[in-house]
Amino acid sequence: GGIITQTPKFLIGQEGQKLTLKCQQNFNHDTMYWYRQDSGKGLRLIYYSITENDLQKGDLSEGYDASREKKSSFSLTVTSAQKNEMAVFLCASSITGANTGQLYFGEGSKLTVL
Amino acid sequence: SQWGEENLQALSIQEGEDVTMNCSYKTYTTVVQWYRQKSGKGPAQLILIRSNEREKRSGRLRATLDTSSQSSSLSITGTLATDTAVYFCAKNNRIFFGDGTQLVVKP
Repeated sequence: GGIITQTPKFLIGQEGQKLTLKCQQNFNHDTMYWYRQDSGKGLRLIYYSITENDLQKGDLSEGYDASREKKSSFSLTVTSAQKNEMAVFLCASSITGANTGQLYFGEGSKLTVL
Repeated sequence: SQWGEENLQALSIQEGEDVTMNCSYKTYTTVVQWYRQKSGKGPAQLILIRSNEREKRSGRLRATLDTSSQSSSLSITGTLATDTAVYFCAKNNRIFFGDGTQLVVKP
């Protein structure tokens, strides 16, 4: 089996600050994803990547940057944190870019903006 | 949500009871995935059903998909306290429908 590791688990930042979340997977999966989940709400896709150095925008990409440095890692940057950014960010991977492939999720990174 | 609505519900039942959760959506799909998210964890896929299957079973789970009414359901028989979670349906890996159903199973 494999695992998705997200760091940090909790991130506290100031409004206007640039903040970066990291995700590592050891499944050797091709595709990785970043989702945002607001409290009591569903998941919204921010970015995904089907291979190293590839980036595809999701519905919520404005205000975020992403980087797929290597196959096993995918980073997400909040370019300028806003108070309404308080949310949990979930990283996931799937074996291929086929859009019905099973997703494997990390436990999330909780962002709080002061 | 942009892609459809899931019947946002908070269900509270006793262990051993059966439960059915529904998902309705606006955009056409031939596949629905159901995920479960326990508190403080990421979602985990439970079952994937395709339109040519109509119904799919996995252990205590049963999923249905009706493309004509654009709805899907997930049933759990003989619930356990460990089934307490939020349940989501998704069109594919990029589109999750709605805000989920919060299920609480009391021991």
